[in-house]
Amino acid sequence: KQEVTQIPAALSVPEGENLVLNCSFTDSAIYNLQWFRQDPGKGLTSLLLIQSSQREQTSGRLNASLDKSSGRSTLYIAASQPGDSATYLCAASPQNQAGTALIFGKGTTLSVSS
Amino acid sequence: EAGVAQSPRYKIIEKRQSVAFWCNPISGHATLYWYQQILGQGPKLLIQFQNNGVVDDSQLPKDRFSAERLKGVDSTLKIQPAKLEDSAVYLCASNKTSGGPGETQYFGPGTRLLVL
Repeated sequence: KQEVTQIPAALSVPEGENLVLNCSFTDSAIYNLQWFRQDPGKGLTSLLLIQSSQREQTSGRLNASLDKSSGRSTLYIAASQPGDSATYLCAASPQNQAGTALIFGKGTTLSVSS
Repeated sequence: EAGVAQSPRYKIIEKRQSVAFWCNPISGHATLYWYQQILGQGPKLLIQFQNNGVVDDSQLPKDRFSAERLKGVDSTLKIQPAKLEDSAVYLCASNKTSGGPGETQYFGPGTRLLVL
């Protein structure tokens, strides 16, 4: 059964700092690894999706990497801003299940101070 | 294009009452998911539909939860009777086809349920 873990659970940084959020998963048989952002009281916004055949994806100041052999993904945020404050969720879509639902970690809550 | 729509946004009920949530996925999306997100946790799948058929409902508490997607478009999730532990955010998501390689899931804003 696929399990997804995110470390750290919470992170506080000053504005301008580069940071890395970590995600690990137990079963490497996945279709995709997806990173989401969740603002308080809001739904989930997709940030980046990495297919199992890919190593990384980039969007603006965000870069996500995938290492299936070690069961790890990282989300790198460059030059952090107060507007980046949110909870970041990592999710894997396992191949070995009935459907294509995502298995989520508990998230990392990021606070960027100005 | 319009995103995933959900209503109501908030609901407060007493235990043992019933409640229903509605979801309209992105137009043309074949696959629809309902997730439950308890405070401090990541979302957990309740049920997945592809068109109007159920793909996975293995984690749906069928003694109290039911869901339908009769015409393969919008969907309703019902809880009857509600328990205190059902307090959570109920998220609806959709995929264009089956949700396989390279397919992003798009989420609605969620319905926040509080059971007193």
